[in-house]
Amino acid sequence: QQPVQSPQAVILREGEDAVINCSSSKALYSVHWYRQKHGEAPVFLMILLKGGEQKGHEKISASFNEKKQQSSLYLTASQLSYSGTYFCGTANNNAGNMLTFGGGTRLMVKP
Amino acid sequence: GAGVSQTPSNKVTEKGKYVELRCDPISGHTALYWYRQSLGQGPEFLIYFQGTGAADDSGLPNDRFFAVRPEGSVSTLKIQRTERGDSAVYLCASSPFGGGAEDTQYFGPGTRLTVL
Repeated sequence: QQPVQSPQAVILREGEDAVINCSSSKALYSVHWYRQKHGEAPVFLMILLKGGEQKGHEKISASFNEKKQQSSLYLTASQLSYSGTYFCGTANNNAGNMLTFGGGTRLMVKP
Repeated sequence: GAGVSQTPSNKVTEKGKYVELRCDPISGHTALYWYRQSLGQGPEFLIYFQGTGAADDSGLPNDRFFAVRPEGSVSTLKIQRTERGDSAVYLCASSPFGGGAEDTQYFGPGTRLTVL
């Protein structure tokens, strides 16, 4: 069963912050975050592992709450280049090789 | 270095025809994945290779779909008797450490398949 992402879409002004959530009905082992621009390949942002910590990548960071079976992606001081669709991909155990992706969150940053 | 490459970038075919989609993974990556992405959706897993063998093909929708990776590098996804419902973007990804839940998957730009 695929993870649920929220919100489905968000519009920001440059410099504003956003949070994207990814929730699973199953226990999570790892969460992988990607950003995809229209017609392009998904670009890897970061991976969070069970028992891991909050991670950061420039002004983009993420957390992983094992109890809630949820991960959140934080975008601070958004830039125009942050526009795109964000996907979380989840693995439910360390033996799994495939990722199950959520439906995506469309983010648009306006000047 | 070069990323994952996929050819062709676009493929238009008629219902009932056979198609082959090619993936060149990042050099040295042993794990290779195929996903399918429909408009407005996230990628959906099809098959995973570890080396030359298909370690997990549980995502292939039916026996019209088949994939090979004969030398452990380039992979070809083959679709027989194409149907309109097969229209989607087919994404390939590769991983450097053999795959697994802790390994990063790097995606190619995809092949957009349109079945008329």
